[in-house]
Amino acid sequence: NAGVMQNPRHLVRRRGQEARLRCSPMKGHSHVYWYRQLPEEGLKFMVYLQKENIIDESGMPKERFSAEFPKEGPSILRIQQVVRGDSAAYFCASLFGLGDTYEQYFGPGTRLTVT
Amino acid sequence: KQEVTQIPAALSVPEGENLVLNCSFTDSAIYNLQWFRQDPGKGLTSLLLIQSSQREQTSGRLNASLDKSSGRSTLYIAASQPGDSATYLCAVQGAQKLVFGQGTRLTINP
Repeated sequence: NAGVMQNPRHLVRRRGQEARLRCSPMKGHSHVYWYRQLPEEGLKFMVYLQKENIIDESGMPKERFSAEFPKEGPSILRIQQVVRGDSAAYFCASLFGLGDTYEQYFGPGTRLTVT
Repeated sequence: KQEVTQIPAALSVPEGENLVLNCSFTDSAIYNLQWFRQDPGKGLTSLLLIQSSQREQTSGRLNASLDKSSGRSTLYIAASQPGDSATYLCAVQGAQKLVFGQGTRLTINP
């Protein structure tokens, strides 16, 4: 069973361009989380999605950021008109839940650099 | 709103010492608490997960405890090695998401 996959692993964008980050959860997992880690900071929750639904987007910046998890294919985190402050590591996690037991499994991350 | 604090922010010890990393959280309504390791520029490696009904978990030289009522967890590392040098993150699982602490940057000196 492959783990959580993210691509690309590294992404360089110029200011004003769009960044698309992809996340494929573990097989059979239908819940995906996105977290952002700014330089020298801890990880911060951005958004929680199920297939075709956004459950909690309380951590998403109000502008330029969007996320989706379609019925088929990976989850996409999209950042429009990137700025230097968007440079960070973006981690995706998929959730395993059974009764009261929950565990999130993390992907390797996408490191976005905005020049 | 859940807040997670890790103390100390950085720790440097000689090889072979036993050490304790601390984590505290403000809301005891959690599903579990997880300790991760992160090497510079790398992803997260899950070390130990303690369900809310458990008091501790052990894996090799690592032991993590959980006291929900006081909002505290500790990660105990026995016989530290230079390869243990990394940032250690504590995270608590609430209803919808993980809330992370800022981490403890650990350096083990040979």
